[in-house]
Amino acid sequence: AQSVTQLDSQVPVFEEAPVELRCNYSSSVSVYLFWYVQYPNQGLQLLLKYLSGSTLVKGINGFEAEFNKSQTSFHLRKPSVHISDTAEYFCAAGGGGNKLTFGTGTQLKVEL
Amino acid sequence: NAGVTQTPKFRILKIGQSMTLQCTQDMNHNYMYWYRQDPGMGLKLIYYSVGAGITDKGEVPNGYNVSRSTTEDFPLRLELAAPSQTSVYFCASIAGGLEQYFGPGTRLTVT
Repeated sequence: AQSVTQLDSQVPVFEEAPVELRCNYSSSVSVYLFWYVQYPNQGLQLLLKYLSGSTLVKGINGFEAEFNKSQTSFHLRKPSVHISDTAEYFCAAGGGGNKLTFGTGTQLKVEL
Repeated sequence: NAGVTQTPKFRILKIGQSMTLQCTQDMNHNYMYWYRQDPGMGLKLIYYSVGAGITDKGEVPNGYNVSRSTTEDFPLRLELAAPSQTSVYFCASIAGGLEQYFGPGTRLTVT
């Protein structure tokens, strides 16, 4: 069975600073990886996804993530955050069967 | 396209009451899912469906039932509400790129 670990439950960062949100997965089969963002009182919105090909994936709002098979990681990065990036971020992994396993989420708080 | 819609947005139930959470998608997706989200726990899969007439249990199905009579609709039924079912419920459907499209959620409180 797959598992997804988000190592940080909360990440505070100052505006315009870089940020990295960590995600590790465990899987013995091919894996598809996703990052979703959830703004307060809203549903989840896809930021980016890795299905195959280039290990560096670019998403919306200036976010990117790198798939690292040897370290089983899919960390999310942004070089300069904005106050509007304050939200909860979920990493998810999928394999066969079109089901996703979600991490427990990382609350990103951008401060002035 | 409206995408995935859920009703109601909020609901308060008394213990033992029943209700149906509605989910509709207009994207002709075969796969649909119900999740519950609890603080610090991420999303847990309750039930899913791979097409009309076919449903299966997810990770936390106890206390819930589903049906899928059409491609568009995937209602979730709570028969005897319990405080442990206080949560935010999300419906999702899947596109060809494996990404799931989520509805806005239903916030349920059982007291």
